[in-house]
Amino acid sequence: GDSVTQMEGPVTLSEEAFLTINCTYTATGYPSLFWYVQYPGEGLQLLLKATKADDKGSNKGFEATYRKETTSFHLEKGSVQVSDSAVYFCALSDDSSASKIIFGSGTRLSIRP
Amino acid sequence: GAGVSQSPSNKVTEKGKDVELRCDPISGHTALYWYRQSLGQGLEFLIYFQGNSAPDKSGLPSDRFSAERTGGSVSTLTIQRTQQEDSAVYLCASSSFPGTSGYEQYFGPGTRLTVT
Repeated sequence: GDSVTQMEGPVTLSEEAFLTINCTYTATGYPSLFWYVQYPGEGLQLLLKATKADDKGSNKGFEATYRKETTSFHLEKGSVQVSDSAVYFCALSDDSSASKIIFGSGTRLSIRP
Repeated sequence: GAGVSQSPSNKVTEKGKDVELRCDPISGHTALYWYRQSLGQGLEFLIYFQGNSAPDKSGLPSDRFSAERTGGSVSTLTIQRTQQEDSAVYLCASSSFPGTSGYEQYFGPGTRLTVT
């Protein structure tokens, strides 16, 4: 079945460091890919998405490119801030599965001032 | 309301008791989903409702779990004879475009269930 594998945390970086959180997926169809974020004490919210190969999703300085050849959707940010501290989930949704979202296990990110 | 709401926010129950968790989706959203977030397990899909169609129950972990959606709006997730492994945060989400994977699902704040 479809699955998502993402880099295990926790990840601790200093402010202004470059961030990469790796994510790879397995899917039988042509999924849409997402990054969701869960800030401390808040609900899960969509950070960015890409619906087809080579699409780049971006939001709040974060980017991820849908790479079909490597089945990857790595999350990047050039300069992280303390406010980016959160848990990040890579996810996919496949039209053949009634749009339920399959999540990775989550990566906890902590940014030091 | 402005977003997906869930109640209660926290529920502590004794092993063997039944519990009901409620979800109010965003008004007008026809698709509703339940997920479970367990420590060390990540997020897992439980059940999906789309309009008046039969729900997709493929993610329910056992027959102790059931859910209904009345009038195409509010949904209740029921867990019978709760077990300690049912302890988790139960998340509800809704979407305005069911069956279309590129559209956003909006999540509620969750219900934290603790079974003692």
